[in-house]
Amino acid sequence: GIQVEQSPPDLILQEGANSTLRCNFSDSVNNLQWFHQNPWGQLINLFYIPSGTKQNGRLSATTVATERYSLLYISSSQTTDSGVYFCAVRRGGGADGLTFGKGTHLIIQP
Amino acid sequence: EPEVTQTPSHQVTQMGQEVILRCVPISNHLYFYWYRQILGQKVEFLVSFYNNEISEKSEIFDDQFSVERPDGSNFTLKIRSTKLEDSAMYFCASSGQGMGTQYFGPGTRLLVL
Repeated sequence: GIQVEQSPPDLILQEGANSTLRCNFSDSVNNLQWFHQNPWGQLINLFYIPSGTKQNGRLSATTVATERYSLLYISSSQTTDSGVYFCAVRRGGGADGLTFGKGTHLIIQP
Repeated sequence: EPEVTQTPSHQVTQMGQEVILRCVPISNHLYFYWYRQILGQKVEFLVSFYNNEISEKSEIFDDQFSVERPDGSNFTLKIRSTKLEDSAMYFCASSGQGMGTQYFGPGTRLLVL
């Protein structure tokens, strides 16, 4: 099956810093999503981005499908940004499940 | 904004007991999914459901698991005889179309003692 690798596995930053999280995948995909898992365990949708660039406030994401990677940018980090960020991909159609990476555990210190 | 809901939020059960986890997908969605996340690990796909039948399932989804859409709104995951290793967060998700975003519910945290 498709492999998803996320880096770095852990990241500790001070409030106000910027960060870049990376997701590499081993095959072509037609669905790529970024999630934030909050301390209560909920998976919050950040982006649906199989290709191109999107921005939502302080967060933006870019997927270069031909090179099989995606980047999530977080600017001016806040303590509420802490949590685990997951990348998930899917190769096939609607019935296929998402394959998740192991995540990046982000800690923002005040 | 429409959202996926799940009940219960937490469930504690004894090994060998049956549990049913419930989900209400977004109302006009056509594809439904169950995932699980063992504590500290990544999220894993269990099963997808479309047009009132299982479409895809992972190797985790063995004979002790079953899914059902008993009416027009609910989607359930049944674990027939729970094991200690079934302790995990279980997420339901739905999507409206084949290539679109999958929306996740808040999860049910299952603890098997």
